[in-house]
Amino acid sequence: EDQVTQSPEALRLQEGESSSLNCSYTVSGLRGLFWYRQDPGKGPEFLFTLYSAGEEKEKERLKATLTKKESFLHITAPKPEDSATYLCAVATGGSYIPTFGRGTSLIVHP
Amino acid sequence: DTAVSQTPKYLVTQMGNDKSIKCEQNLGHDTMYWYKQDSKKFLKIMFSYNNKELIINETVPNRFSPKSPDKAHLNLHINSLELGDSAVYFCASSDLEGRASGGYTFGSGTRLTVV
Repeated sequence: EDQVTQSPEALRLQEGESSSLNCSYTVSGLRGLFWYRQDPGKGPEFLFTLYSAGEEKEKERLKATLTKKESFLHITAPKPEDSATYLCAVATGGSYIPTFGRGTSLIVHP
Repeated sequence: DTAVSQTPKYLVTQMGNDKSIKCEQNLGHDTMYWYKQDSKKFLKIMFSYNNKELIINETVPNRFSPKSPDKAHLNLHINSLELGDSAVYFCASSDLEGRASGGYTFGSGTRLTVV
């Protein structure tokens, strides 16, 4: 059973159409929840780390939030260049090595 | 450019062969990693290595072995390649602060195809 579940698997938006990506986790002893962006043919690029429920982080059109069971990545007025796969990962217990979800593939149409 | 670089970017080889993928980082990080990304884009840790400790994911077959000539390099050796080894392999690195914050730097990946 996956410890990290992301939904939806794929999301198509029109430019300017805001939406949210979900990452739910079942682990205990969360050390951190991470969001990465991955473009085709490239490695994941670090976006945010969230450590505790209620925490929020922002970067340009992206805002990540965290509750005790899930995290949301809100995309406000997206642009075509926001198209990518967004990966969520968690680190637990004594290990900082993140366990990744399967990602959400986002396509933003002009 | 400061980065994590992997070679080759593409590798096509026959079943049964032995191959290596090289990884180098010039970020001064003390820990390096190998991840495998399958056809469904699922990214899974294979190894974590610094100069003191090698952590192996228990699901990784012993045909896979990391080799580190120095702190800046972590190569991946694969013996007796199988069809199921086909995937994209990513090298990554972090320092102590990065480990705590999730700030890993990934290479661009090596697409391995076993035929």
